[in-house]
Amino acid sequence: DGGITQSPKYLFRKEGQNVTLSCEQNLNHDAMYWYRQDPGQGLRLIYYSQIVNDFQKGDIAEGYSVSREKKESFPLTVTSAQKNPTAFYLCASSLGQNQETQYFGPGTRLLVL
Amino acid sequence: AQSVTQLDSQVPVFEEAPVELRCNYSSSVSVYLFWYVQYPNQGLQLLLKYLSGSTLVKGINGFEAEFNKSQTSFHLRKPSVHISDTAEYFCAVSASYTGTASKLTFGTGTRLQVTL
Repeated sequence: DGGITQSPKYLFRKEGQNVTLSCEQNLNHDAMYWYRQDPGQGLRLIYYSQIVNDFQKGDIAEGYSVSREKKESFPLTVTSAQKNPTAFYLCASSLGQNQETQYFGPGTRLLVL
Repeated sequence: AQSVTQLDSQVPVFEEAPVELRCNYSSSVSVYLFWYVQYPNQGLQLLLKYLSGSTLVKGINGFEAEFNKSQTSFHLRKPSVHISDTAEYFCAVSASYTGTASKLTFGTGTRLQVTL
C-alpha cells in the first residue's frame, strides 16, 4: 500500500536534547512538508522540500532542522533551541505542483519530560 | 501572503441535521482552496478542493463546498450528518502559482460534534 509513515507515534524529549522525527513516503512524490499542530492554532508550516537536496523554511523554522538526502525520506530534528516543542507533528507529501493534494502521515506526538 | 479564518471553533449538531462550517480567506492573488478532515490522533484527509471552474465542489462522504469570490468564502456543507462525521475540519488556501510546491495556509479548525 502506498502512503506516508511517521515514527515514532510518541516521543519524549529531555531538556537540552535533540530528537529526530522520521517521515517516509512511497508515493513517489517530489515535495514533502513538516507541520506543527497546537490546540486551537491549526497547522503551521515548519519546513518544506520540493526536490531532493533542497528545502526551504516555513513560517516557524526556528529551533528545527531537516534534511532531504533521499526522495522518500524527510526527517525533522527538533533541537534544544526549540523551547516549546510539545506538539503534534505532521508530515505530508505531494506531487510538487501547488494544486496537488497534500497527503498526510499519522503524526508524531512530542512530549517534554 | 494568505490567511484563513474559521470563525466557529466548535459546531454541535444532531445526527441527520444539516451543517455548515464557515471559512473565509484573504489573499492578494488568486487562490486554490481545500477542506481537510482530521479524526482524533490521526493525520489529515482531503475532503474536497477548488481549483477552478464550477464554484460548487463535491467531495467525499457527502460533503460539498461553494466558492464565493466576492465574499472570499468557501463554506463546507452537508445536508445530513452522521455520528461518524464527528471530527476536526480544516480549511486551507494556497496561492495559485504554477510550478512550485503548494504552501498551504490553514485555518484554526472547527470541531464538529454530532450527537444523537
